[in-house]
Amino acid sequence: QSALTQPPSASGSPGQSVTISCTGTSSDLGIYNYVSWYQHHPGKAPKLMIYEVSRRPSGVPGRFSGSKSGNTASLTVSGLQGEDEADYYCSSYAGSNNFVFGTGTKVTVL
Amino acid sequence: QLQLQESGPGLVKPSETLSLTCTVSGDSISSSNYHWGWIRQPPGKGLEWIGSIHYSGITYYDPSLKSRFTMSVDTSKNQFSLKLSSVTAADTAVYYCARRTAYLYFDYWGQGALVTVSS
Repeated sequence: QSALTQPPSASGSPGQSVTISCTGTSSDLGIYNYVSWYQHHPGKAPKLMIYEVSRRPSGVPGRFSGSKSGNTASLTVSGLQGEDEADYYCSSYAGSNNFVFGTGTKVTVL
Repeated sequence: QLQLQESGPGLVKPSETLSLTCTVSGDSISSSNYHWGWIRQPPGKGLEWIGSIHYSGITYYDPSLKSRFTMSVDTSKNQFSLKLSSVTAADTAVYYCARRTAYLYFDYWGQGALVTVSS
């Protein structure tokens, strides 16, 4: 299975919003609502930010939100803060207990 | 608080077998609700799912990687392991272990173990 496609980079000023897209196929993201997003600061453990397309785990700020339309999922970070600068990865269930991850997006806070 | 910690040699020679262990603390690995997974990140690249294992021993592998990987679980030590045979430089990566929930996401991750394949 091929990796989900994400833009290599995204940026915004503090307080602004940034949206990251994640494009899959009709074999994975397009037919399953098991899309999750992970924040990764290099050298640290990835952190779950969104699961099941739009659900936030306890402790994740409300300015992180997720959505999906067709074969594309999106993560929006509203009210950007300095600590949001990180790499972000999407992931989708791909059937038969398989998973696929995105190519990753580096978010820069200007 | 659940914690996962990868361990293993940081350097492996080409054609040899890479062995990694993930030690789980803060909860039992024998919960039927979870699978335990491996994900890797080659230098400068994105995350790549390798596979997952249930405490019962049931394994699932990425179809494109399946042939060289072997996962196992040791419930007495609360650990699970990954072996990769016939490694090449392309297997150089940070290897992460993670817990996969029944709702198909990874909620806890280890900090990762860098494995370099070089002679």
